Amino acid sequence: EVQLLESGGGFVQPGGSLRLSCAASGFNFNTYAMNWVRQAPGKGLEWVASISGNGVIQDTDSVKGRFTISRDNSKNMLYLQMNSLRAEDTAIYYCAKGDFDNQVWESGIYWPSFFHDWGQGSLVTVSS
Amino acid sequence: DVVLTQTPLSSPVTLGQPASISCRSSQSLAHIDGHTYLSWLHQRPGQPPRLLIYKVSKRFSGVPNRFSGSGAGTEFTLQISRVEAEDVGVYYCMQATHLPPYTFGQGTKLEIK
Repeated sequence: EVQLLESGGGFVQPGGSLRLSCAASGFNFNTYAMNWVRQAPGKGLEWVASISGNGVIQDTDSVKGRFTISRDNSKNMLYLQMNSLRAEDTAIYYCAKGDFDNQVWESGIYWPSFFHDWGQGSLVTVSS
Repeated sequence: DVVLTQTPLSSPVTLGQPASISCRSSQSLAHIDGHTYLSWLHQRPGQPPRLLIYKVSKRFSGVPNRFSGSGAGTEFTLQISRVEAEDVGVYYCMQATHLPPYTFGQGTKLEIK
């Protein structure tokens, strides 16, 4: 059974930093692209970043230069280092994965064409 | 970036009656590989999203057959043939044809009358 367990969320002041972790189990971690999706309180879903099995990264413009997605395939762990946090980064951050047989080819990498395994999320609150 | 616009934003429905949600894309979601990467997710309060439909019309494993998806190009629809109480929540469409970024519709809240 696939399990994704996020941790590391909490309360931080604007300009501060946090590192989220996602512990993955139940699948061959290093063969899957992994993803972070966030949801501000009472708002919709927003993709944050993805990392391929061998470390190729895509991320959304609003976090470029501030957030860094990474992974440790030896530990089955996904990370999101968040620096220079802003109030608008307040959200539940979900770790998510797709399906190996349903991927889309983009810029020389296969990326998930949907997300069907989700963690329970980790709440990040940025406030003074 | 692809913008997905869902209508309606809120849908009060009577139990046992059908429901329909539309998702319109700012550009065609037909990929050069021949597939259309439009999916639908359902989120109950306090829960992560759950995948219902992928590639426009394919039901994901375990999804009841009262859920169906249709459409092509820029116009897509999620239909629920007979709404049940467990169907309440927010529905999102998502595209993966034009990456990055993955983009989502703003969500449609389904509630029981």
